[in-house]
Amino acid sequence: GAVVSQHPSRVICKSGTSVKIECRSLDFQATTMFWYRQFPKQSLMLMATSNEGSKATYEQGVEKDKFLINHASLTLSTLTVTSAHPEDSSFYICSAIGGLTYEQYFGPGTRLTVT
Amino acid sequence: AQKVTQAQTEISVVEKEDVTLDCVYETRDTTYYLFWYKQPPSGELVFLIRRNSFDEQNEISGRYSWNFQKSTSSFNFTITASQVVDSAVYFCALSEAGGNQGGKLIFGQGTELSVKP
Repeated sequence: GAVVSQHPSRVICKSGTSVKIECRSLDFQATTMFWYRQFPKQSLMLMATSNEGSKATYEQGVEKDKFLINHASLTLSTLTVTSAHPEDSSFYICSAIGGLTYEQYFGPGTRLTVT
Repeated sequence: AQKVTQAQTEISVVEKEDVTLDCVYETRDTTYYLFWYKQPPSGELVFLIRRNSFDEQNEISGRYSWNFQKSTSSFNFTITASQVVDSAVYFCALSEAGGNQGGKLIFGQGTELSVKP
């Protein structure tokens, strides 16, 4: 089946620094990728929709200048958390859709801890 | 607005019991998809099923079964003869079928299932 990878799987960074998370579709071209965030014991909340070659669409309440999304190719989307703060500590999960099947494949997630 | 409600936040059963996880959804779309995912402690989401709004047939896959009822906007999930390995958080989700954001998922709050030996 289709595989989506995320890198890194875990990252610890200091407050005020930026961290980049990569999401790759390994065996298919993803026209659309989604970024979700999950706080402990909570549900997944969509942060943004990323379409290849265009600007990401952010959900209400998500700061686009803080969470920079780049979808430069059909197999790679990146999420950069800028000037991270402890409240940004969360589990970030990406997903990718190929074609019009609406079959959505999730990456394994990245656990971000900001100290 | 789209919404998914999983009223059961935690369920605890003893191994071999049957358990049903409830899911109620709201949408104005006539075409949509419903999903169930399993999230074990590792965090990775495991896809269980996708159902489109035009297919109300119930589905069975091994010990898992799903009951989709459009009349009550429900998509319940039953595990028969539960096992300890079924312990996880289960999410029900809804997506719209079209538009430039087609495919984005609205998740329910999740139900944490604990199966005790």
